[in-house]
Amino acid sequence: AQKITQTQPGMFVQEKEAVTLDCTYDTSDPSYGLFWYKQPSSGEMIFLIYQGSYDQQNATEGRYSLNFQKARKSANLVISASQLGDSAMYFCATGFQKLVFGTGTRLLVSP
Amino acid sequence: DSGVTQTPKHLITATGQRVTLRCSPRSGDLSVYWYQQSLDQGLQFLIHYYNGEERAKGNILERFSAQQFPDLHSELNLSSLELGDSALYFCASSVHSTGMNTEAFFGQGTRLTVV
Repeated sequence: AQKITQTQPGMFVQEKEAVTLDCTYDTSDPSYGLFWYKQPSSGEMIFLIYQGSYDQQNATEGRYSLNFQKARKSANLVISASQLGDSAMYFCATGFQKLVFGTGTRLLVSP
Repeated sequence: DSGVTQTPKHLITATGQRVTLRCSPRSGDLSVYWYQQSLDQGLQFLIHYYNGEERAKGNILERFSAQQFPDLHSELNLSSLELGDSALYFCASSVHSTGMNTEAFFGQGTRLTVV
């Protein structure tokens, strides 16, 4: 079974600053993936970034990077140079046949 | 735009009724997944279809059923609706048969309100 823990219900950051959203996971799968999704107030789930458990390098996609620490079972999302449009819920997920999601972190970016 | 299309975007219906939610996967994707997002349960996996065959079931109620058609679109049928079925229902698609390996794209969701 898999489990995702996101301990930050809410985070505040000023525009142009970097922010780290925490995610720890637990899985018994020998090979697994870690996903981050963004859900704006409009409701859609937007895929941000993926990290495979055997990937040597941390994943990066534009301003998003995933700080993957396998021994600590953490997969934190780092958003650099925050923008007002980054205000949203952020979900960490893992799984293979199905995704198991955390409870999410609400990020608010202020001017 | 993820390429996954869900219709309708919003649905309001009464208790006891039956509704059908539709999903068209991204071009080339053979797998369709259904998820439910509610305030109390969060995001929950319901069911996975690959090329017309059911591959995995999650926390899907017996009142709910799904199918994937030869053209790969999928429908989620919800019957005998209860107030607690009010939620955002997502469809996701992937090219892979065995899981959402490296990428998993979600549709915009159908917001179901049961009154």
